[in-house]
Amino acid sequence: QKEVEQDPGPLSVPEGAIVSLNCTYSNSAFQYFMWYRQYSRKGPELLMYTYSSGNKEDGRFTAQVDKSSKYISLFIRDSQPSDSATYLCATGGDTAGNKLTFGGGTRVLVKP
Amino acid sequence: DAGVIQSPRHEVTEMGQEVTLRCKPISGHDYLFWYRQTMMRGLELLIYFNNNVPIDDSGMPEDRFSAKMPNASFSTLKIQPSEPRDSAVYFCASSFSGLLHFGNGTRLTVT
Repeated sequence: QKEVEQDPGPLSVPEGAIVSLNCTYSNSAFQYFMWYRQYSRKGPELLMYTYSSGNKEDGRFTAQVDKSSKYISLFIRDSQPSDSATYLCATGGDTAGNKLTFGGGTRVLVKP
Repeated sequence: DAGVIQSPRHEVTEMGQEVTLRCKPISGHDYLFWYRQTMMRGLELLIYFNNNVPIDDSGMPEDRFSAKMPNASFSTLKIQPSEPRDSAVYFCASSFSGLLHFGNGTRLTVT
C-alpha cells in the first residue's frame, strides 16, 4: 500500500462546476498537508498548505483535512478552463513538511 | 525572484553515458531536494540537503546515482552509467520553512 493514495482521474467537469479532489494517507504521524498544481511540462506549484485537521480557504480553493479518517480534500469552486492541470496532494510529518510524500496526482479537465 | 533554475530542460543520451543535471535553488533557501517523476511511480524523493549537507539519500535508486551540493547556490545530480529505465523528469526543489518550490524539471531520455 502506498503511503498516499490519489485517484489518477482524469476528472472532467464543465466550466463553473465544483471540482472535488481527495487523497487518503496511511501514516498517522503526518501533520502537514499540501496541494500542488502541475501544468503540463512544468514543475508543481504550491496551492494550499494546512497543518493538522481543519479547513482552509483561499479564493476559489478550499482544503480540508480529517486526521481521524486520514482523508484530505481540495475543492475548486467556479472552475475555469485554466484550472485544467494535475493536482498532487502531499503530506509530511516533520517540521513544516520538509520531507514530503506525494500522491500520484489527479488530472483535471475543465471544459468551456 | 527567478525561482528554482534547472538545466538542461531536455537531455537525450545513449545508454552507458554519464548524465549531469544541474540546479540553482532560490537564494536564501536552506533545503534542496531532488525528485524523479514517472507515470508509473509518480514523484519520488531521491535525496535532500540541508545547508549543503546531504540528510537523506535513501531514495537514490542505485550507486549509479550521486548528488552533490558544493555551495548554497548550486547542486548536481549525476547518473553514471545511464540506463533506459532512468528516463524520467527530474525535479529540483528548494525550501525555507518547509514550503517547497519546484523548478521546471529536466526531461531525461536514455536510448
